Amino acid sequence: GAVVSQHPSWVICKSGTSVKIECRSLDFQATTMFWYRQFPKQSLMLMATSNEGSKATYEQGVEKDKFLINHASLTLSTLTVTSAHPEDSSFYICSAPFGTAVNEQFFGPGTRLTVL
Amino acid sequence: GESVGLHLPTLSVQEGDNSIINCAYSNSASDYFIWYKQESGKGPQFIIDIRSNMDKRQGQRVTVLLNKTVKHLSLQIAATQPGDSAVYFCAEKQGNRTGGGNKLTFGTGTQLKVEL
Repeated sequence: GAVVSQHPSWVICKSGTSVKIECRSLDFQATTMFWYRQFPKQSLMLMATSNEGSKATYEQGVEKDKFLINHASLTLSTLTVTSAHPEDSSFYICSAPFGTAVNEQFFGPGTRLTVL
Repeated sequence: GESVGLHLPTLSVQEGDNSIINCAYSNSASDYFIWYKQESGKGPQFIIDIRSNMDKRQGQRVTVLLNKTVKHLSLQIAATQPGDSAVYFCAEKQGNRTGGGNKLTFGTGTQLKVEL
């Protein structure tokens, strides 16, 4: 099946710093990617839809200036958590649909962010 | 708002027994449902899916049942194995809304524990 990777797999940063997380589709192109956040023992919550060549679409309640998304190419989307706070500590997961007409999404392995 | 939820947060079964994980959804317009398995510290892994025009679909050791009348979805795992221990999420595909037709809404998740 299609493979989606994320980098880094985990990161620890200080409050106030910015952290960039990469999501790559390794063997297919993705004009759309999705970013989720998952707190411990909770479900995945969609944060935003990353669109290649255009602005990301954010879900209600997600600050676009805090969670910057850039879909630079058909295989790469980045999520930058700006001015990170301890409450931003979470598991961030991206996904990409395989093809425009196929419903299935492939998920990355996730990135564990810890803000001290 | 509309949501997808689960009845049981934790399910413990004996190795070799069958497992049944349930999910209730509220969006009657959803046309596609997916079950994902998530192991600790990893991204969700696709298990099986079903379209709204079906009421049953079988895979290898897994069966998904869809009851649209009561908006209920279940995942049956036959001969449960220790490797099946994980959190299981149901997800529904949103309709063609602004921002992407492949958006998924996840349920709250069920922790499956397989006892030896």
